[in-house]
Amino acid sequence: GAVVSQHPSWVICKSGTSVKIECRSLDFQATTMFWYRQFPKQSLMLMATSNEGSKATYEQGVEKDKFLINHASLTLSTLTVTSAHPEDSSFYICSARDRPAGGGEQFFGPGTRLTVL
Amino acid sequence: GQNIDQPTEMTATEGAIVQINCTYQTSGFNGLFWYQQHAGEAPTFLSYNVLDGLEEKGRFSSFLSRSKGYSYLLLKELQMKDSASYLCAVKNDYKLSFGAGTTVTVRA
Repeated sequence: GAVVSQHPSWVICKSGTSVKIECRSLDFQATTMFWYRQFPKQSLMLMATSNEGSKATYEQGVEKDKFLINHASLTLSTLTVTSAHPEDSSFYICSARDRPAGGGEQFFGPGTRLTVL
Repeated sequence: GQNIDQPTEMTATEGAIVQINCTYQTSGFNGLFWYQQHAGEAPTFLSYNVLDGLEEKGRFSSFLSRSKGYSYLLLKELQMKDSASYLCAVKNDYKLSFGAGTTVTVRA
């Protein structure tokens, strides 16, 4: 089956610093990748959708200047949390799909636990 | 907007059957997914329904009624490893909207 990896698995950083999270599709080309955030005991909330080679589409209420997304290749997307604050502490999960908008199952990465001190 | 409701918690005994209901009111519908998520891990795919009716996959079955905005996930012959959170997700175009999840605890 399709495998998606994320790195790092967990990260602790100081308030005000930036953190980069990588999402890779290991055995397929991901034309579309999604970034979600999940707070404890809450649902996965879609943050943004990125298509390879184009700008990400952000969901309402998600600051695009704070959460920078780059999808430069068909196997890699990165999420950079800039000037992180304690309220950004969360579980960040990416998913990837091997087809453009429309059909295709999403395959999820293992998630990245971010703690901002 | 999207409104997806499922119970918060359910407890059942090993070997039993549990049914997790999901009701949804969404601006569009292109199918419904069920995922299993263990604590601190990513969701794993269980089932997908796009037409009305029952889909069976081993111990897990999922049902959909589009006219009622209703789905359920049926877990049979429960095992301890089935203790997890179960997420209902509605697909609208290419996006998934998730319910808050139902935590199932299986007791010996």
